[in-house]
Amino acid sequence: NAGVTQTPKFQVLKTGQSMTLQCAQDMNHNSMYWYRQDPGMGLRLIYYSASEGTTDKGEVPNGYNVSRLNKREFSLRLESAAPSQTSVYFCASSEVGTLIDQPQHFGDGTRLSIL
Amino acid sequence: SQKIEQNSEALNIQEGKTATLTCNYTNYSPAYLQWYRQDPGRGPVFLLLIRENEKEKRKERLKVTFDTTLKQSLFHITASQPADSATYLCALEGTNTGKLIFGQGTTLQVKP
Repeated sequence: NAGVTQTPKFQVLKTGQSMTLQCAQDMNHNSMYWYRQDPGMGLRLIYYSASEGTTDKGEVPNGYNVSRLNKREFSLRLESAAPSQTSVYFCASSEVGTLIDQPQHFGDGTRLSIL
Repeated sequence: SQKIEQNSEALNIQEGKTATLTCNYTNYSPAYLQWYRQDPGRGPVFLLLIRENEKEKRKERLKVTFDTTLKQSLFHITASQPADSATYLCALEGTNTGKLIFGQGTTLQVKP
C-alpha cells in the first residue's frame, strides 16, 4: 500500500531557483495538505485543498503556490527559493472535506535545503 | 494568543514503565484532539482521536484523556518498550478554521 508518495526525497537549491514538490495519494481522499516542519516549530500548514478543484491558504503561504492537478495529485511550487524556505515538507491527505475529526495520512517528506 | 504546548524536553523512561506525555492548549475550544507518532526521517502516523465528550480513549497499550476544563490532553503508553521511542505530536482544530494545528512534539526515549 503506497499511501501518500512524495518526490523528491531530498533537494538542494540555490537562492532564486524554482522547483515543484510532487505529492500523490492512492486512498481516494478528497482533501490534501502541504505542511512544513522546522525544529521547535511543529508542523505548519502552507496550503490545503478541500476537494478537487479547490485550494486555500494555510498559516504560512507566502512564497508558495499549489496546484490540485486531479483528485490524486497536489503539487507545491517554490517560484524563487529563499534560505528561509529550508525545511522538511510534508504532504498529507484525509478522507472527507475539511472535517478535522478525520485522521491525516502523511508522506515521508521532502528535505529541502536552499543555499 | 492561541498556543499548543508540548514538553520540548525529551522524556526518558525505563522499559516496562508507563510514559505520560502532556498537551496543553490556550485560547482554543477544540471539538477533537488527535495524537500522532513520528519516527526520525518519516512522516507522522495517526494514533488516536478523542472527542470533547469522550473523557478517555484506549487502543491496546495507549490511552488518551481529554480535559476541556483544564485544556489538557494526556497520552499514556503502558508497559513501554524501546520500540515506542519516537516523537509524539498532538493536534487540534484551530478555532473556526476546520484545520489541524500541531504541537511541536515530545520525544520519548525508552531505555531497555
